[in-house]
Amino acid sequence: DTEVTQTPKHLVMGMTNKKSLKCEQHMGHRAMYWYKQKAKKPPELMFVYSYEKLSINESVPSRFSPECPNSSLLNLHLHALQPEDSALYLCASSPPPSGGVDTQYFGPGTRLTVL
Amino acid sequence: AQSVTQLGSHVSVSEGALVLLRCNYSSSVPPYLFWYVQYPNQGLQLLLKYTSAATLVKGINGFEAEFKKSETSFHLTKPSAHMSDAAEYFCAVSDGTGGGADGLTFGKGTHLIIQP
Repeated sequence: DTEVTQTPKHLVMGMTNKKSLKCEQHMGHRAMYWYKQKAKKPPELMFVYSYEKLSINESVPSRFSPECPNSSLLNLHLHALQPEDSALYLCASSPPPSGGVDTQYFGPGTRLTVL
Repeated sequence: AQSVTQLGSHVSVSEGALVLLRCNYSSSVPPYLFWYVQYPNQGLQLLLKYTSAATLVKGINGFEAEFKKSETSFHLTKPSAHMSDAAEYFCAVSDGTGGGADGLTFGKGTHLIIQP
């Protein structure tokens, strides 16, 4: 298995809803990432988990709450989002470090629309 | 802090012509540089990466890039464009200080258009 999967592909939610995005990989990778990509913009890093511990939080609002229950699974819990949070949310994973920076493998993304 | 600048938000070439997408980096430490491609409504796929082993890096789909420290550049080239190359291309950088789990900083992207 050489891919990163993300569910759901599309999500529409109201500003008072609570929802979760799921990301899964079975490549033995030990680092996992969440990026946010607005339309016609580059991806922006949100969170990094290394060995299931949160290692980077790029000052993301608390309405986004990441969780890494095990080495294969990464969740992003969403609560009280704003319309400007509508975007493509990309998950990525990378192998255990072998010196330097390892390649990040991206999933297809979840397209989120907040009404 | 590291950053990359991609010159040209849109590049248009004829099918069969040379593709040249420009990327310049700014980093206080030796950078790790990447080129990713994104097709509409899809995630990102790695084309190639520079990690100091060789200055000329060959990637997938006939793409290659040359790291030039003197010019702080990492331009992406392909000798002959195919219609299937039409996509968004992102240059990205990491400084490698996160023990292997480093976030990437992306350029603004270049939209490659292939004219028949």
